[in-house]
Amino acid sequence: QKEVEQNSGPLSVPEGAIASLNCTYSDRGSQSFFWYRQYSGKSPELIMSIYSNGDKEDGRFTAQLNKASQYVSLLIRDSQPSDSATYLCAARARRQLTFGSGTQLTVLP
Amino acid sequence: AAGVIQSPRHLIKEKRETATLKCYPIPRHDTVYWYQQGPGQDPQFLISFYEKMQSDKGSIPDRFSAQQFSDYHSELNMSSLELGDSALYFCASSLGNTGELFFGEGSRLTVL
Repeated sequence: QKEVEQNSGPLSVPEGAIASLNCTYSDRGSQSFFWYRQYSGKSPELIMSIYSNGDKEDGRFTAQLNKASQYVSLLIRDSQPSDSATYLCAARARRQLTFGSGTQLTVLP
Repeated sequence: AAGVIQSPRHLIKEKRETATLKCYPIPRHDTVYWYQQGPGQDPQFLISFYEKMQSDKGSIPDRFSAQQFSDYHSELNMSSLELGDSALYFCASSLGNTGELFFGEGSRLTVL
């Protein structure tokens, strides 16, 4: 079992819809969580970080964390074609950052 | 704003050769990370440095070594290259070990 699990997708949503990306982690020592966006052939780019239970909103993005369920999610509101990318969930335990395999999102015009 | 600079961007080597990748972190960032990403795979952590000292080691093969120099740039040395070493190698830097990493554009290594 991978330490950080994501639905690999691909996930397709129409433009303007809400995209929901999910992630679970196995290490209860994980303290902080991140969502990175990676366009094909490009490097990962940090879009959200979340450290405590609940929701964190930044523009069209909302990250949700539930440590009891070991669950992290990312909601993208008003999805745009430019949001089409692979979204990597990452969890930091002790001093290492572990990535999930990523969810490929396609936003259809 | 200055970003993480990696060189070379592309590198082609033969099996059993040696390759060196360089990384220049964002100014004032004190932590450097190296990741390997194979096609369709997630980034795999190799090694990290904090203030020029190795801080963590991941799935880095014994054939690989890395160091961080006094000017904070880092080099990843790969010897006895194998076909399976073909991948994108990312360097990332951060201020402190926060998990908020800023990645370079990557160095694509192809081993023939």
